[in-house]
Amino acid sequence: KAGVTQTPRYLIKTRGQQVTLSCSPISGHRSVSWYQQTPGQGLQFLFEYFSETQRNKGNFPGRFSGRQFSNSRSEMNVSTLELGDSALYLCASSQGGGARFAGVAYNEQFFGPGTRLTVL
Amino acid sequence: AQTVTQSQPEMSVQEAETVTLSCTYDTSENNYYLFWYKQPPSRQMILVIRQEAYKQQNATENRFSVNFQKAAKSFSLKISDSQLGDTAMYFCAFMIISGNTPLVFGKGTRLSVIA
Repeated sequence: KAGVTQTPRYLIKTRGQQVTLSCSPISGHRSVSWYQQTPGQGLQFLFEYFSETQRNKGNFPGRFSGRQFSNSRSEMNVSTLELGDSALYLCASSQGGGARFAGVAYNEQFFGPGTRLTVL
Repeated sequence: AQTVTQSQPEMSVQEAETVTLSCTYDTSENNYYLFWYKQPPSRQMILVIRQEAYKQQNATENRFSVNFQKAAKSFSLKISDSQLGDTAMYFCAFMIISGNTPLVFGKGTRLSVIA
């Protein structure tokens, strides 16, 4: 099976612009999670989508949004970029399934290579 | 809320030696998973080893093993026979077993294996 893919791998934007990042999960995986990684804050959870619905959301401002399509591919969007948004954005997929599927096999997360966003 | 603490920002080890990375966590939950992830300089995060909290036996994966102390909320990673390819950031992570909850990560430990 192909792994999790993320596009683009690198992105340079200026303050005030908006950006859209894409994530394609492993085939058959229905859950996609997004994380922001910075040297200062480490890895922080942004949001998680399952079957086109946002199931969980981290503590980020409304400028950060996402969506998931019927084929489980997910996009995240950041509007009105700030310098502090410079980070590595990681996407992770899992089979998912909710509380009835609590085994680690359903919830183990597989990560993509990340998108490095630089805001100037 | 769950927290994960890795108290060693950086460590180094000689090739073929053994090194132990520390991790402590705080939770009021009783059922959860613990993970160690490795992030090499190429940045692809990969799972090294996982432990289900309800299992008393420590997990092992080839040269990697954990020392899971549930009462002490401690979850250390031991790497035996260290190899140059083990050079990476190592993250300890926690997930509640109910399923649709995110991973909570520690800040990471940068491990350098020296020839």
